[in-house]
Amino acid sequence: AQTVTQSQPEMSVQEAETVTLSCTYDTSESDYYLFWYKQPPSRQMILVIRQEAYKQQNATENRFSVNFQKAAKSFSLKISDSQLGDAAMYFCAYRSGDTLAGSYQLTFGKGTKLSVIP
Amino acid sequence: DTGVSQDPRHKITKRGQNVTFRCDPISEHNRLYWYRQTLGQGPEFLTYFQNEAQLEKSRLLSDRFSAERPKGSFSTLEIQRTEQGDSAMYLCASSFTDRAVHEQYFGPGTRLTVT
Repeated sequence: AQTVTQSQPEMSVQEAETVTLSCTYDTSESDYYLFWYKQPPSRQMILVIRQEAYKQQNATENRFSVNFQKAAKSFSLKISDSQLGDAAMYFCAYRSGDTLAGSYQLTFGKGTKLSVIP
Repeated sequence: DTGVSQDPRHKITKRGQNVTFRCDPISEHNRLYWYRQTLGQGPEFLTYFQNEAQLEKSRLLSDRFSAERPKGSFSTLEIQRTEQGDSAMYLCASSFTDRAVHEQYFGPGTRLTVT
C-alpha cells in the first residue's frame, strides 16, 4: 500500500518570502500522480498543483512550484512571494496511475499547517 | 460549473441515530468519491462511483455505511446507528474520466458530530 508522509505539522513564513513544504511517499509503482491540495480554514479543498511521475520537468503554477525527485520519492511544494491568502492546511496526495486496477483513490498525508506572518 | 456541493454542511446527531448526506458533483463529472477526514488527519478514501456503479469500497466503510448514486448524478452516504467514532468531516469529490489525470474536485464537506 502506498503511504504519504508530511513531516512538518506546522510551518510559518513571512509575507512575500518563500517557503517549502516537504512530502515523501512510498510506492512500488512506476506510474502515478502526485498532487498538492490547499484547505483554507472552514473552506473546501482546492487543487494547487499536480505532477505526473513520467514527466521529468517539475510542475509550476504561478507562484507555486514543485521539486519532484522520483528516485528519492520526494515531492516538495515551494510557494514564492507568500501572501496572506496562502495561509491554510496543505495536503500532499498520491494516486496510482494503474487505471486497469481501477484504483482512483487519493492517498493523503496528514497535512502541513502554513501560517503567513504579515 | 457551480462546483461540488454537499448538504447539509453540519449535522449533529445522537448516538444510535441514522444520518444521510447528499453530494451533487460537477455536472459533467461521471466519477464521484467519498472521503472521511478526522481532526488533524488528511482525508481517507471511503468509496467511489463511476456513473451509478459503486466500483471500490475501503475497509473503512463498515456495514453501517452505505452509499448510492442511483441515476449517476447525485450521491447519498448513509450511516446507520451512528457512533461517536463516526464524528468527522465527510468530503465528496468528483472527476471526469476523459481527462487522463482524473483530477478530483472537492466539495465543502459535511461535518458530523455524534453526541
